[in-house]
Amino acid sequence: KAGVTQTPRYLIKTRGQQVTLSCSPISGHRSVSWYQQTPGQGLQFLFEYFSETQRNKGNFPGRFSGRQFSNSRSEMNVSTLELGDSALYLCASSPSRTGGPDTQYFGPGTRLTVL
Amino acid sequence: AQKVTQAQTEISVVEKEDVTLDCVYETRDTTYYLFWYKQPPSGELVFLIRRNSFDEQNEISGRYSWNFQKSTSSFNFTITASQVVDSAVYFCALSGVIQGAQKLVFGQGTRLTINP
Repeated sequence: KAGVTQTPRYLIKTRGQQVTLSCSPISGHRSVSWYQQTPGQGLQFLFEYFSETQRNKGNFPGRFSGRQFSNSRSEMNVSTLELGDSALYLCASSPSRTGGPDTQYFGPGTRLTVL
Repeated sequence: AQKVTQAQTEISVVEKEDVTLDCVYETRDTTYYLFWYKQPPSGELVFLIRRNSFDEQNEISGRYSWNFQKSTSSFNFTITASQVVDSAVYFCALSGVIQGAQKLVFGQGTRLTINP
């Protein structure tokens, strides 16, 4: 089975721009979660989607948003980029067969640099 | 609130030494999951193990072993006869098992360097 894929792998943007990151989960996985990793804050949960619905959201401003499509693929969007948004953005998929918590498998991440 | 503490920021050992990575957690949940992930320089988080809170049996997988002690809220990870390929950042994580609580809380990570 193919693993979680994320595109693009690297991205450079300037302040004020917006960006969209994409994540394709492992086939059959219904839950997709997003995390931000920075040297200062470590790994922080952004949000989780299950069956096209956001089930859980971390403590991030409204500039961070996401969605999930019917094929479980997910996108996250960051609007009005700030320098502090520079980070590695990791997507994780989970079988979540019963809808409950399950092991999360991570993709390679998208490294976003904001200039 | 849930919290995971990995007190060891960096560990450096010589190849073939045994090394233990510490993890202490806090949670009010009576049922929860604990995880260990490995992050090599490529950046991808690699899943190593999941433990349910009601299962305190220790686990061994090759050179890796995990010691879960609910009484001390610890879930330590030992690598026996370490190898250079074990060099990575290791994260301990915690999640609840409540429906809809698909959220991992991570420790700050331990950077492990195995020197030849």
